[in-house]
Amino acid sequence: DAEITQSPRHKITETGRQVTLACHQTWNHNNMFWYRQDLGHGLRLIHYSYGVQDTNKGEVSDGYSVSRSNTEDLPLTLESAASSQTSVYFCASSDLREGLNEQFFGPGTRLTVL
Amino acid sequence: GENVEQHPSTLSVQEGDSAVIKCTYSDSASNYFPWYKQELGKGPQLIIDIRSNVGEKKDQRIAVTLNKTAKHFSLHITETQPEDSAVYFCAAKGGSYIPTFGRGTSLIVHP
Repeated sequence: DAEITQSPRHKITETGRQVTLACHQTWNHNNMFWYRQDLGHGLRLIHYSYGVQDTNKGEVSDGYSVSRSNTEDLPLTLESAASSQTSVYFCASSDLREGLNEQFFGPGTRLTVL
Repeated sequence: GENVEQHPSTLSVQEGDSAVIKCTYSDSASNYFPWYKQELGKGPQLIIDIRSNVGEKKDQRIAVTLNKTAKHFSLHITETQPEDSAVYFCAAKGGSYIPTFGRGTSLIVHP
């Protein structure tokens, strides 16, 4: 069965370190997204991609970067981790075709920055 | 851009009661309105959606209604069960592939 996975599921790091969160999907979806979830804020979009070599900033992109070298993966990098980036991160994917709007979410990565 | 407001933030009901969660949106161009359920420790999962050319959609115990004129849509859960306890998110999407999410409603169903 097709799926979307994230790794690691839990990560503790220190302020100033670079951290990369992995996202891998086997749906063959063109669209991929990264969100962070914080209490009282719901799901906020960090970055998204419409296909290979395409990346776009979301509403809370400062301090984060992504790259899309293939269809399956969209890794999220925190260049220099800050305590404000402690959060739960969700990756999602969706189909490009008209009418197929459902987003499929991964299980999440809980990141703690000390 | 689109702005989605969701209420209430917390909803507590007794098993068997109905639950209603309401959302409003700002962009009249939005044409797709999904609802996601997030269980503890998991990612959100689509439970029902509605398009702007439809006023109501049902799937067993859940239903969604849409009022385009007033720019609001609602999720209705009847005969609630403890396994309905979760966080529910509404969203609105227009011409892009990017939905805007509400802040979520924590539904608690007491046995």
